[in-house]
Amino acid sequence: EAQVTQNPRYLITVTGKKLTVTCSQNMNHEYMSWYRQDPGLGLRQIYYSMNVEVTDKGDVPEGYKVSRKEKRNFPLILESPSPNQTSLYFCASTPGQVVSGANVLTFGAGSRLTVL
Amino acid sequence: SQQGEEDPQALSIQEGENATMNCSYKTSINNLQWYRQNSGRGLVHLILIRSNEREKHSGRLRVTLDTSKKSSSLLITASRAADTASYFCATGLVKLVFGKGTKLTVNP
Repeated sequence: EAQVTQNPRYLITVTGKKLTVTCSQNMNHEYMSWYRQDPGLGLRQIYYSMNVEVTDKGDVPEGYKVSRKEKRNFPLILESPSPNQTSLYFCASTPGQVVSGANVLTFGAGSRLTVL
Repeated sequence: SQQGEEDPQALSIQEGENATMNCSYKTSINNLQWYRQNSGRGLVHLILIRSNEREKHSGRLRVTLDTSKKSSSLLITASRAADTASYFCATGLVKLVFGKGTKLTVNP
């Protein structure tokens, strides 16, 4: 089944304890991205990647890191989490670049992170 | 930067009624998409309409696009309780930007 898989789905952690949220897609998509969703603020893009070793900042990249060493994986790293990073996180992927209709995103199920 | 803004923020209707949600955006677009999100879950793509299209149908969904007004609407006909969800419009090509969504409740 074509899908985007995120782990963990739920996590409670404490301030300053490094954590990684993994994201993997099995569709050979070139483009992957991370969003966070907060009440009243909608979805905001954190980072995106156009292809292996190509990443760029989205709208709210502060406090996050990403890497794209393999096409299928795009982990989100919180080096020193803080309470304002408590949120619902989504990974998404799409086939690739500017081909009309090719920018339909497939989303993961979400990772709910709480930082105490 | 938010590109799309949905209206209304929340909508409550009875089963069988039609639901209409609107989206306004600010800059020129190549296409516009609508997504659905069941509570706390991942978004699911519903329909994409290109800038040279005015209307598109998919099952009980009808989407219109007015590029002169920079607006789109999503109509769900003969709604069902299972349509209860939040609906988002999104614009952009490589980088998709989402509105804040319309929360639809369909009462049985």
